[in-house]
Amino acid sequence: ETGVTQTPRHLVMGMTNKKSLKCEQHLGHNAMYWYKQSAKKPLELMFVYSLEERVENNSVPSRFSPECPNSSHLFLHLHTLQPEDSALYLCASSQLGQSWRDTEAFFGQGTRLTVV
Amino acid sequence: AQSVTQLGSHVSVSEGALVLLRCNYSSSVPPYLFWYVQYPNQGLQLLLKYTTGATLVKGINGFEAEFKKSETSFHLTKPSAHMSDAAEYFCAVSRSNTGGFKTIFGAGTRLFVKA
Repeated sequence: ETGVTQTPRHLVMGMTNKKSLKCEQHLGHNAMYWYKQSAKKPLELMFVYSLEERVENNSVPSRFSPECPNSSHLFLHLHTLQPEDSALYLCASSQLGQSWRDTEAFFGQGTRLTVV
Repeated sequence: AQSVTQLGSHVSVSEGALVLLRCNYSSSVPPYLFWYVQYPNQGLQLLLKYTTGATLVKGINGFEAEFKKSETSFHLTKPSAHMSDAAEYFCAVSRSNTGGFKTIFGAGTRLFVKA
């Protein structure tokens, strides 16, 4: 199995739908992340979970709701999205130790989300 | 505050030519610096990273980068481009704090390799 797996790879949803993105890591890491990658914009960090607790939320709209039930799984629940939310959503994991900086993030392949 | 600037959103080189992708950073503390590569329809993959020690860092696929503190740069190079190097490249700097961890990414540089 690959290190970080995201499902689905592609998702098309209407603005009134509710859907969830799933991320699973098989690396034994203790931190997981959601990033948003839009065309012509820098990669944006959305949420960080460390030891299953949310430690960072970068002013993400409430229509995005993360869930981290255990250290291996991370979800992003979506509801009433807007067309501008269409993007590639990337999940990543890393092992945070004594030195927070000495980390390497392993990324999943992403979910390409299109909101219509 | 930390930030990363990648000069040039697109770079085009001929196969066999030198690859140079530029990255400048700003950081109030000694940085940890990274280069990631993203192939089409894929996530990001770490190419190399600088933490401490030797300022010339070698990574995968023949890439290397040199940390120059005086120039606040961490440019990525490869002596001879290959068609398979065509991808998007992201420079990143990491920040540590007691509340969590954040990696700041540059906007990315798309590398085109011409036959």
